[in-house]
Amino acid sequence: SSELTQDPAVSVALGQTVTFTCQGGGLRSYYASWYQQKPGQAPLLVIYGKNSRPSGIPDRFSGSNSGDTASLTITGAQAEDEADYYCSSRDSRGNHYVFGPGTKLTVL
Amino acid sequence: EVQLVESGGGLVKPGGSLRLSCVASGFTFSAYDVSWVRQAPGKGLEWVSSVSSGGTYIYDADSVKGRFTVSRDNAKNSVFLQMNSLRPEDTAVYYCARENSGYHPFFDYWGQGTLVAVSS
Repeated sequence: SSELTQDPAVSVALGQTVTFTCQGGGLRSYYASWYQQKPGQAPLLVIYGKNSRPSGIPDRFSGSNSGDTASLTITGAQAEDEADYYCSSRDSRGNHYVFGPGTKLTVL
Repeated sequence: EVQLVESGGGLVKPGGSLRLSCVASGFTFSAYDVSWVRQAPGKGLEWVSSVSSGGTYIYDADSVKGRFTVSRDNAKNSVFLQMNSLRPEDTAVYYCARENSGYHPFFDYWGQGTLVAVSS
């Protein structure tokens, strides 16, 4: 399948750890990238490749991959991390892209 | 500073056409593939189209194939999305995004988006 699946919503207490998962057949071949999107803003790349962060992304964000599942972890979630998180990858055709449906994070 | 600025959005009737533009600055534009990604109101992200750095290779999502055409002008640091036969379900914010291409690609810079509304 070319689709990516994500949990619709998760919540985390301030300062605790939260993990988002993204599942799809294409992830057996391609690493996922992860995007944070706050209301009214464009998506922001937070994790790419095996586990790389763009400049300016805090090191509390990390990624991992295993089989058909990619994960994004926030260690010590902050109030400003409340946002929607999307995963993305190439699809099975290799030259198209697919996004997961997104996970809404609430920081309590 | 890398910047992508979209324009051309607006209100259009079903069956109508619109041309979006994305002007890039702050990097060697001709070295990068670029994609259009859209987001319907209250919905998630959907990849729409991609054009390779030299404009040779173009890929479209099945949902827009035959109706949308992506192109670029490297001399003007610009990418375009010609949208024809528009449908209400094409209503969305359209973002252009720079692709950091490779075997494991990702979109490292995004514009702020331009809103397209298709309604009678």
